[in-house]
Amino acid sequence: NAGVTQTPKFQVLKTGQSMTLQCAQDMNHEYMSWYRQDPGMGLRLIHYSVGAGITDQGEVPNGYNVSRSTTEDFPLRLLSAAPSQTSVYFCASSSPGRPSGNTIYFGEGSWLTVV
Amino acid sequence: AQKITQTQPGMFVQEKEAVTLDCTYDTSDPSYGLFWYKQPSSGEMIFLIYQGSYDQQNATEGRYSLNFQKARKSANLVISASQLGDSAMYFCAMRLQGAQKLVFGQGTRLTINP
Repeated sequence: NAGVTQTPKFQVLKTGQSMTLQCAQDMNHEYMSWYRQDPGMGLRLIHYSVGAGITDQGEVPNGYNVSRSTTEDFPLRLLSAAPSQTSVYFCASSSPGRPSGNTIYFGEGSWLTVV
Repeated sequence: AQKITQTQPGMFVQEKEAVTLDCTYDTSDPSYGLFWYKQPSSGEMIFLIYQGSYDQQNATEGRYSLNFQKARKSANLVISASQLGDSAMYFCAMRLQGAQKLVFGQGTRLTINP
């Protein structure tokens, strides 16, 4: 039971480079989201999706793009990396219609450093 | 706007003692859920306990219980008989009904001393 899988776990980028953080879940969850965690802070929502083909912005969306072509995958794209995007990124999924719908499952996190 | 406040940046507790981590929230929506997550030094987010705004009883999960005081808008986490492995960051979070977006507090770093 893989749950929510994020790749890569660690990445170093140069300013201006682009990259994609991958997120996949095998629980057939409708809802998926991306958060970032900066040092000493809680998680902040970047983008989220309530189903395939549907995405929306969260609290801190600037500099990031997402798409949801399948239920399983929700990649996060950094268009032109900046040092301010150095952070730990978490992908999460959940299914509101199930008995366990109150549980939001998190991936293990992706540590991104932009130099 | 929804907001979560955790006023204790750090707490130090002796092993086997009970500990209460404070969380207050702000929302005008009558339907919401409150979560507590544990984040050990390895970084993953571990779900601990959930309380719905309409739940009549306080949630309990093993050594974890949630002291839910709706009128005061507080949702404190109580850990009974603390263990060394409880040392971690603890986050309180809120989700509005119908949404799957979580709003997090800034966290409390709990250290259990032997």
